[in-house]
Amino acid sequence: QVQLVQSGAEVKRPGASVKLSCRASGYTFNYYYVHWVRQAPGQGLEWMGIINPNDGSATYARKFQGRVTMTRDTSTSTVYMELSGLRSDDTALYFCARDQMNYYMDVWGQGTAVTVSS
Amino acid sequence: DIQMTQSPSSLSASVGDRVTITCRASQSINSYLNWYQHKPGKAPKLLIYAASSVQSGVPSRFSGSGSGTTFTLTISSLQPEDFATYYCQQSYGNLLFTFGPGTKVDIK
Repeated sequence: QVQLVQSGAEVKRPGASVKLSCRASGYTFNYYYVHWVRQAPGQGLEWMGIINPNDGSATYARKFQGRVTMTRDTSTSTVYMELSGLRSDDTALYFCARDQMNYYMDVWGQGTAVTVSS
Repeated sequence: DIQMTQSPSSLSASVGDRVTITCRASQSINSYLNWYQHKPGKAPKLLIYAASSVQSGVPSRFSGSGSGTTFTLTISSLQPEDFATYYCQQSYGNLLFTFGPGTKVDIK
């Protein structure tokens, strides 16, 4: 079945970077873009960006430009999201999600908790 | 950037109630509007795409309508498993996406 499986929880110090992974299975990896979305405690869903696994091109939300990098490894059907300059307000649950036709997100990963604390 | 608003921000309802949530875009987005249900600690779930198309497997009590700048999500008869937060999301142009702030539906 179609699945996105994300890497495990992370604890980071302020100023550090974190790199999360999202491994796809059950479909042709190159055919579907992948989004990253996060939810901070007590906050709503926040869209971070989208990557095209076919050519590796990515578009980022204005808020995260300069701090986020999305990449992919086609040999393992995995997309990565690296966030640098971590602050306490980056503490959140991070999700990857498969895109359908650059329109909606139909399959989601289970989420990865990132805690930023000194 | 396109901004999304939702109303109400929260509501209390009883099982069996009809619930309507409104989502507004800061500019016309045609029908590039989707609805998700989200429960704490879980992955969001797609309910409605393209404003009014029900995702496969989603109960028929969920429906969506609207176009342009104003959209609604309706739950015709609220069930216990429907208590959650609901988000609209726009996908109009240039690979930039935005979620609304969410509407929390809880038990009266």
